[in-house]
Amino acid sequence: EPEVTQTPSHQVTQMGQEVILRCVPISNHLYFYWYRQILGQKVEFLVSFYNNEISEKSEIFDDQFSVERPDGSNFTLKIRSTKLEDSAMYFCASSEGLGTSGAMEQYFGPGTRLTVT
Amino acid sequence: QKEVEQDPGPLSVPEGAIVSLNCTYSNSAFQYFMWYRQYSRKGPELLMYTYSSGNKEDGRFTAQVDKSSKYISLFIRDSQPSDSATYLCAMSVGGGSYIPTFGRGTSLIVHP
Repeated sequence: EPEVTQTPSHQVTQMGQEVILRCVPISNHLYFYWYRQILGQKVEFLVSFYNNEISEKSEIFDDQFSVERPDGSNFTLKIRSTKLEDSAMYFCASSEGLGTSGAMEQYFGPGTRLTVT
Repeated sequence: QKEVEQDPGPLSVPEGAIVSLNCTYSNSAFQYFMWYRQYSRKGPELLMYTYSSGNKEDGRFTAQVDKSSKYISLFIRDSQPSDSATYLCAMSVGGGSYIPTFGRGTSLIVHP
């Protein structure tokens, strides 16, 4: 069964450093998403991406964040200058995006745990 | 007032029990109601979603939505140890945006 994959599974970085989190969405999916989950808190939407541009973003997704689809398979989240409060689990998701069910059925990856020290 | 409220639990039940998981919400614009299951160290997995009020059944799982009370439920019949996970409710307004707003999740433990 196709699945969303994410690398690395755990990333440790120092405050102020740039990190890139990588995701490979399901191959025939058209919409891609990033979410984050701070330990013990809710899953929060960051950004959605369609047709090589951002379609929606939350207030969390400020200028320090960016997303890119550098090739036909990868989808990346870059955090330019990490802060302690960026420590969280980051989930990538993808959906077909066709019709209501296609938009609703988002498939999540296993996540990347980001630890900022 | 928080948009989506969900008791974090944990909820511990014996195998075979009927489990009831619930969420309340404040935003009357929500039209789509979802339940996700999240195993430890995994991403959320969509179990089912419903549109507006009513019931939906899928195997041992039944989702109920009462929009007048802003209250949704997930029932699990004949619960199994493999159902032990965190269950997240989520909601979206639809109309072109299906981005879910999640609850905190309820940790469910089904013991043999």
